Amino acid sequence: EVQTVESGGALVQPGGSLRLSCEASGFIFSIHWMSWIRQAPGKGLEWVANIKPDGSEKNYVDSVKGRFVISRDNAKNSLYLQMSSLRVDDTAVYYCLKGGHWYPDWGQGTLVTVSS
Amino acid sequence: EIVLTQSPGTLSLSPGERATLSCRASQSVYNYLAWYQQKPGQTPRLLISGASSRATGIPDRFSGSGSGTDFILTISRLEPEDFAVYYCQQYDRSVRTFGQGTRVELK
Repeated sequence: EVQTVESGGALVQPGGSLRLSCEASGFIFSIHWMSWIRQAPGKGLEWVANIKPDGSEKNYVDSVKGRFVISRDNAKNSLYLQMSSLRVDDTAVYYCLKGGHWYPDWGQGTLVTVSS
Repeated sequence: EIVLTQSPGTLSLSPGERATLSCRASQSVYNYLAWYQQKPGQTPRLLISGASSRATGIPDRFSGSGSGTDFILTISRLEPEDFAVYYCQQYDRSVRTFGQGTRVELK
């Protein structure tokens, strides 16, 4: 069974930084694209970023480009999202997902709140 | 980035009725389109990938069609558990995008 457990969400001030982590299990992590998707409270889904299995290709939505960095550690079956220059509109639940195309397996996510 | 526009924003229907949800892409995404259902307090559930292929365990009252820029999700006969928000998502371009969602509510 595919499982992804996100952590690292917190309350942070505008302009601050945060690193999200995701531990994956139930599949061969090192051969799959991985993605981050977020959902602001009461709003729709927003795709954030994805990363190739070997980490050589990374893609970002325009609104986070230059501020967020996706990375992975295949030896630890872990995915990360380093977020900096955080803005109020980055407030959302962040989901870590297996795959780079469609997403059948959703964890519970981790809540990031950006507020002064 | 490809913009996906879903219509209508809200669909008010009764159980047993047919629901037709539209998703229009700003550029062709071929058949690289997925649909999700999300109920309040729950995570999204994949319904359809490849524009028309039902995901594992999805009832056959859900069907997807379309290609290029225009896509349809049809729920043939609404069950009480189908009242939810539905999102389309494209995976043709390296930057994926979601539509803004269609809410199917009880009339």
